[in-house]
Amino acid sequence: SAVISQKPSRDICQRGTSLTIQCQVDSQVTMMFWYRQQPGQSLTLIATANQGSEATYESGFVIDKFPISRPNLTFSTLTVSNMSPEDSSIYLCSVVAGSFTEAFFGQGTRLTVV
Amino acid sequence: AQKITQTQPGMFVQEKEAVTLDCTYDTSDPSYGLFWYKQPSSGEMIFLIYQGSYDQQNATEGRYSLNFQKARKSANLVISASQLGDSAMYFCAMRESSSSGSRLTFGEGTQLTVNP
Repeated sequence: SAVISQKPSRDICQRGTSLTIQCQVDSQVTMMFWYRQQPGQSLTLIATANQGSEATYESGFVIDKFPISRPNLTFSTLTVSNMSPEDSSIYLCSVVAGSFTEAFFGQGTRLTVV
Repeated sequence: AQKITQTQPGMFVQEKEAVTLDCTYDTSDPSYGLFWYKQPSSGEMIFLIYQGSYDQQNATEGRYSLNFQKARKSANLVISASQLGDSAMYFCAMRESSSSGSRLTFGEGTQLTVNP
């Protein structure tokens, strides 16, 4: 299994500002994933972060709004830029382990934009 | 079309009884994996159980078992001897081997309430 430390666990931010979320894994992983969960909804994949290359974004998500860094095989950050109240969500990072038979998540970041 | 469908927005069960949470999926990929997660009100996603498309046996993990019916494309989660702490949102998810990066696609979730 993989242990993922994600921070901050929650934050309240002013509109127009940016927040960077960090994800640290206790083992080296090839791929890390960032998901968004809007209030009362399911999880939606934002992007896949690979070490040494640019992140791959899903339809509806752009790099200018959600820049991602992946400096090594155990760490990644997601920035939510120029925030608006519509960005209020839980953001979660995830890694795949065990020959793709396990997928673990960080504790999540509960973001409120006011 | 929805890839993962959870038709029960909410379910109620009495403590110590068993409950089944439904999940159906849609894929043409012969190799895929199905996951169940528990999300308490704290927001974390807790991995419960995994079933591979080629697995011959239904997966079990403690009080959790997966009723995998491949021909019907269903992967229902069975929780035995429900406990008050089982009250949470439950998500079914699928990984298709053809999808880039082994991303997961999630259903809409089922809110389970265990009554004392």
